[in-house]
Amino acid sequence: DTGVSQDPRHKITKRGQNVTFRCDPISEHNRLYWYRQTLGQGPEFLTYFQNEAQLEKSRLLSDRFSAERPKGSFSTLEIQRTEQGDSAMYLCASSLVPEGYTFGSGTRLTVV
Amino acid sequence: AQTVTQSQPEMSVQEAETVTLSCTYDTSESDYYLFWYKQPPSRQMILVIRQEAYKQQNATENRFSVNFQKAAKSFSLKISDSQLGDAAMYFCAYRIRSGSARQLTFGSGTQLTVLP
Repeated sequence: DTGVSQDPRHKITKRGQNVTFRCDPISEHNRLYWYRQTLGQGPEFLTYFQNEAQLEKSRLLSDRFSAERPKGSFSTLEIQRTEQGDSAMYLCASSLVPEGYTFGSGTRLTVV
Repeated sequence: AQTVTQSQPEMSVQEAETVTLSCTYDTSESDYYLFWYKQPPSRQMILVIRQEAYKQQNATENRFSVNFQKAAKSFSLKISDSQLGDAAMYFCAYRIRSGSARQLTFGSGTQLTVLP
Protein backbone atom coordinates (compact mmCIF):
# COMPACT_ATOMS: atom_id res chain seq x y z
CA ASP A 1 0.00 0.00 0.00
CA THR A 2 1.53 3.30 -1.04
CA GLY A 3 -1.08 5.63 0.41
CA VAL A 4 -1.25 7.64 3.62
CA SER A 5 -2.75 5.55 6.43
CA GLN A 6 -4.56 6.93 9.44
CA ASP A 7 -5.65 5.02 12.50
CA PRO A 8 -8.27 4.79 13.86
CA ARG A 9 -10.91 5.78 11.30
CA HIS A 10 -13.40 6.59 14.02
CA LYS A 11 -12.96 7.45 17.69
CA ILE A 12 -15.68 8.17 20.21
CA THR A 13 -14.47 9.47 23.55
CA LYS A 14 -15.91 11.03 26.65
CA ARG A 15 -15.21 14.66 27.40
CA GLY A 16 -12.05 15.03 29.44
CA GLN A 17 -10.36 11.90 28.10
CA ASN A 18 -7.12 11.90 26.11
CA VAL A 19 -6.97 10.56 22.58
CA THR A 20 -4.11 9.81 20.22
CA PHE A 21 -4.24 9.43 16.45
CA ARG A 22 -1.61 7.93 14.21
CA CYS A 23 -0.58 8.78 10.66
CA ASP A 24 1.71 6.68 8.48
CA PRO A 25 2.83 8.75 5.50
CA ILE A 26 4.09 7.50 2.17
CA SER A 27 7.51 6.14 3.05
CA GLU A 28 9.66 8.44 0.93
CA HIS A 29 7.75 11.60 1.84
CA ASN A 30 9.66 13.91 4.18
CA ARG A 31 6.85 16.43 4.72
CA LEU A 32 3.84 15.64 6.91
CA TYR A 33 0.82 17.81 7.70
CA TRP A 34 -2.13 17.64 10.07
CA TYR A 35 -5.41 19.36 9.27
CA ARG A 36 -8.75 19.54 11.09
CA GLN A 37 -12.06 19.55 9.23
CA THR A 38 -15.38 20.32 10.88
CA LEU A 39 -18.70 19.45 9.27
CA GLY A 40 -19.45 21.50 6.20
CA GLN A 41 -16.12 23.29 6.22
CA GLY A 42 -12.81 22.99 4.46
CA PRO A 43 -9.79 21.59 6.26
CA GLU A 44 -7.81 23.93 8.50
CA PHE A 45 -4.08 23.62 8.96
CA LEU A 46 -2.82 22.45 12.35
CA THR A 47 0.86 21.64 12.02
CA TYR A 48 3.66 20.68 9.66
CA PHE A 49 6.75 18.49 9.95
CA GLN A 50 9.75 18.28 7.73
CA ASN A 51 11.39 15.02 8.64
CA GLU A 52 11.27 14.95 12.47
CA ALA A 53 11.23 18.74 12.91
CA GLN A 54 7.94 20.47 13.63
CA LEU A 55 8.32 23.67 11.60
CA GLU A 56 4.87 25.23 11.65
CA LYS A 57 2.08 25.29 14.22
CA SER A 58 -1.29 26.94 13.79
CA ARG A 59 -2.91 29.04 16.49
CA LEU A 60 -5.63 26.36 16.37
CA LEU A 61 -3.15 24.01 18.03
CA SER A 62 -3.84 24.85 21.66
CA ASP A 63 -1.69 23.60 24.50
CA ARG A 64 -3.99 20.57 24.79
CA PHE A 65 -2.77 19.40 21.38
CA SER A 66 0.64 17.90 20.75
CA ALA A 67 2.09 16.31 17.66
CA GLU A 68 5.22 14.29 17.19
CA ARG A 69 7.06 12.66 14.37
CA PRO A 70 9.85 10.59 15.89
CA LYS A 71 12.55 9.55 13.45
CA GLY A 72 10.77 11.36 10.64
CA SER A 73 8.45 8.45 9.88
CA PHE A 74 4.95 8.07 11.36
CA SER A 75 3.33 10.90 13.30
CA THR A 76 0.98 11.03 16.26
CA LEU A 77 -1.48 13.74 17.24
CA GLU A 78 -2.60 13.73 20.86
CA ILE A 79 -5.46 15.72 22.32
CA GLN A 80 -5.56 15.97 26.09
CA ARG A 81 -8.69 16.69 28.13
CA THR A 82 -10.92 16.54 25.08
CA GLU A 83 -13.78 19.02 24.71
CA GLN A 84 -16.91 18.78 22.59
CA GLY A 85 -15.47 21.43 20.29
CA ASP A 86 -12.70 19.03 19.39
CA SER A 87 -15.19 16.86 17.50
CA ALA A 88 -14.01 16.92 13.89
CA MET A 89 -12.23 14.92 11.27
CA TYR A 90 -8.47 14.99 11.58
CA LEU A 91 -6.68 14.65 8.26
CA CYS A 92 -3.06 13.78 7.68
CA ALA A 93 -1.20 14.47 4.44
CA SER A 94 2.33 13.85 3.25
CA SER A 95 4.47 15.07 0.38
CA LEU A 96 7.95 14.92 -1.04
CA VAL A 97 7.69 18.33 -2.62
CA PRO A 98 5.36 21.12 -1.43
CA GLU A 99 3.02 20.83 -4.38
CA GLY A 100 2.27 17.15 -4.21
CA TYR A 101 0.09 16.45 -1.17
CA THR A 102 -1.39 13.00 -0.64
CA PHE A 103 -4.13 12.91 1.97
CA GLY A 104 -5.20 10.06 4.19
CA SER A 105 -8.84 9.15 4.79
CA GLY A 106 -8.89 10.87 8.15
CA THR A 107 -9.85 10.03 11.73
CA ARG A 108 -13.32 11.13 12.76
CA LEU A 109 -13.39 12.14 16.42
CA THR A 110 -16.63 12.43 18.34
CA VAL A 111 -16.49 13.79 21.88
CA VAL A 112 -19.58 12.97 23.96
CA ALA B 1 -3.90 36.64 5.69
CA GLN B 2 -4.98 34.66 2.70
CA THR B 3 -8.64 33.72 2.32
CA VAL B 4 -10.44 31.47 -0.13
CA THR B 5 -14.15 31.89 -0.82
CA GLN B 6 -16.51 29.44 -2.48
CA SER B 7 -19.89 31.12 -2.79
CA GLN B 8 -21.83 28.07 -4.02
CA PRO B 9 -22.50 25.64 -1.15
CA GLU B 10 -24.33 23.27 -3.51
CA MET B 11 -24.47 22.71 -7.25
CA SER B 12 -26.13 20.10 -9.42
CA VAL B 13 -25.59 19.00 -13.00
CA GLN B 14 -27.14 16.50 -15.34
CA GLU B 15 -24.97 13.59 -16.36
CA ALA B 16 -22.97 14.42 -19.52
CA GLU B 17 -23.51 18.15 -19.07
CA THR B 18 -20.98 20.81 -18.08
CA VAL B 19 -20.79 22.58 -14.73
CA THR B 20 -18.60 25.40 -13.42
CA LEU B 21 -17.66 25.79 -9.77
CA SER B 22 -16.56 29.24 -8.58
CA CYS B 23 -13.72 30.26 -6.31
CA THR B 24 -12.26 33.61 -5.37
CA TYR B 25 -9.26 34.27 -3.17
CA ASP B 26 -7.52 37.14 -1.52
CA THR B 27 -3.77 37.47 -1.24
CA SER B 28 -1.07 40.10 -1.43
CA GLU B 29 1.41 37.59 -2.83
CA SER B 30 2.23 37.33 -6.53
CA ASP B 31 3.63 33.80 -6.65
CA TYR B 32 1.39 31.00 -5.44
CA TYR B 33 -0.41 27.81 -6.34
CA LEU B 34 -4.13 27.21 -6.63
CA PHE B 35 -5.73 23.79 -6.39
CA TRP B 36 -9.05 22.06 -6.72
CA TYR B 37 -9.55 19.02 -4.51
CA LYS B 38 -12.36 16.49 -4.59
CA GLN B 39 -13.60 14.81 -1.41
CA PRO B 40 -16.06 11.95 -2.05
CA PRO B 41 -18.04 10.33 0.76
CA SER B 42 -15.08 8.00 1.34
CA ARG B 43 -13.42 11.15 2.74
CA GLN B 44 -10.02 10.97 1.09
CA MET B 45 -9.11 14.31 -0.42
CA ILE B 46 -8.00 13.85 -4.03
CA LEU B 47 -6.17 16.45 -6.11
CA VAL B 48 -8.14 17.31 -9.25
CA ILE B 49 -6.06 20.06 -10.80
CA ARG B 50 -3.30 22.55 -9.98
CA GLN B 51 -2.47 25.98 -11.35
CA GLU B 52 0.76 27.94 -10.88
CA ALA B 53 0.07 31.66 -10.63
CA TYR B 54 3.02 32.56 -12.87
CA LYS B 55 1.58 30.54 -15.74
CA GLN B 56 -0.90 32.39 -17.93
CA GLN B 57 -2.16 29.20 -19.55
CA ASN B 58 -5.11 27.62 -17.82
CA ALA B 59 -4.49 24.11 -16.51
CA THR B 60 -6.39 21.18 -18.02
CA GLU B 61 -6.71 17.57 -16.87
CA ASN B 62 -8.92 15.50 -19.14
CA ARG B 63 -12.51 16.63 -18.44
CA PHE B 64 -11.41 19.17 -15.84
CA SER B 65 -10.19 22.64 -16.71
CA VAL B 66 -9.80 25.93 -14.88
CA ASN B 67 -10.39 29.56 -15.71
CA PHE B 68 -7.67 31.44 -13.84
CA GLN B 69 -8.09 35.21 -13.73
CA LYS B 70 -5.15 36.50 -11.70
CA ALA B 71 -6.13 40.17 -11.67
CA ALA B 72 -9.64 39.32 -10.56
CA LYS B 73 -8.32 36.67 -8.12
CA SER B 74 -10.75 34.17 -9.54
CA PHE B 75 -10.18 30.46 -10.09
CA SER B 76 -13.16 28.48 -11.39
CA LEU B 77 -13.33 24.78 -12.19
CA LYS B 78 -15.16 23.49 -15.25
CA ILE B 79 -16.19 19.86 -15.39
CA SER B 80 -17.18 18.69 -18.86
CA ASP B 81 -19.20 15.58 -19.69
CA SER B 82 -20.11 15.14 -16.01
CA GLN B 83 -20.19 11.59 -14.71
CA LEU B 84 -21.93 10.06 -11.70
CA GLY B 85 -18.50 9.50 -10.14
CA ASP B 86 -17.87 13.26 -10.14
CA ALA B 87 -20.37 13.68 -7.31
CA ALA B 88 -18.42 14.90 -4.30
CA MET B 89 -17.49 17.93 -2.24
CA TYR B 90 -15.07 20.15 -4.15
CA PHE B 91 -12.62 22.40 -2.37
CA CYS B 92 -10.62 25.26 -3.78
CA ALA B 93 -7.26 25.78 -2.06
CA TYR B 94 -4.36 28.21 -2.09
CA ARG B 95 -0.71 27.91 -1.14
CA ILE B 96 2.08 30.42 -1.33
CA ARG B 97 4.89 29.16 -3.56
CA SER B 98 7.94 30.10 -1.54
CA GLY B 99 8.84 30.84 2.05
CA SER B 100 8.55 28.76 5.17
CA ALA B 101 4.76 28.39 5.15
CA ARG B 102 3.68 25.14 3.55
CA GLN B 103 0.04 24.89 4.46
CA LEU B 104 -2.95 24.95 2.18
CA THR B 105 -5.77 27.41 2.81
CA PHE B 106 -9.10 25.89 1.81
CA GLY B 107 -12.47 27.32 0.92
CA SER B 108 -15.64 26.02 2.53
CA GLY B 109 -16.45 23.71 -0.35
CA THR B 110 -19.15 23.12 -2.97
CA GLN B 111 -21.23 19.96 -2.82
CA LEU B 112 -21.72 18.72 -6.39
CA THR B 113 -24.62 16.41 -7.21
CA VAL B 114 -24.72 14.65 -10.57
CA LEU B 115 -28.22 13.74 -11.72
CA PRO B 116 -28.73 10.68 -13.89
